[in-house]
Amino acid sequence: GQNIDQPTEMTATEGAIVQINCTYQTSGFNGLFWYQQHAGEAPTFLSYNVLDGLEEKGRFSSFLSRSKGYSYLLLKELQMKDSASYLCAVSDSNYQLIWGAGTKLIIKP
Amino acid sequence: DTGVSQDPRHKITKRGQNVTFRCDPISEHNRLYWYRQTLGQGPEFLTYFQNEAQLEKSRLLSDRFSAERPKGSFSTLEIQRTEQGDSAMYLCASSLAGDRDYEQYFGPGTRLTVT
Repeated sequence: GQNIDQPTEMTATEGAIVQINCTYQTSGFNGLFWYQQHAGEAPTFLSYNVLDGLEEKGRFSSFLSRSKGYSYLLLKELQMKDSASYLCAVSDSNYQLIWGAGTKLIIKP
Repeated sequence: DTGVSQDPRHKITKRGQNVTFRCDPISEHNRLYWYRQTLGQGPEFLTYFQNEAQLEKSRLLSDRFSAERPKGSFSTLEIQRTEQGDSAMYLCASSLAGDRDYEQYFGPGTRLTVT
């Protein structure tokens, strides 16, 4: 079967750094995505990794290891507005997105 | 272009009634996706179109669900004989096949409540 695992909830402090992990088992792999979703809103695209390594985009970075079926999203200099759910999704052999349940990130002052 | 739009934003219906949702994708996008999301879960794939062709439909999707994209622009999702288990957020997303076709842009969603 296909499976995406990520922690249900994490808490971090404003200004700090947090790493959200994602492990996956899918039939085929055509890239891994991270989306941010604020409560009651639609997901918004954050990053895409298809090759191993780190992709940096401002305060957010995403890492992929295909051999380990593992990715993480790194958020630096946390701001209160970063409080949201972070969804990991993998594009499978049919280019369909398989989604994790999301990690709810709570930022405390 | 203001992005992907969906209508209505909220729908309350009684069990057994039919409902139809509309999605208008970003104008130059040729791929359109429908997802369903319940609280605390990630989106669940329902179906997707490339232009007017429906290329994939979830095997978990009941026959009560049907989607169309008649002219390759907007799409409709119809649920017949709604059940309480259909209560969820229905999300539409679009993308452009090609260099950045992996980036799906989501609409605000239609929240369905079946009473």
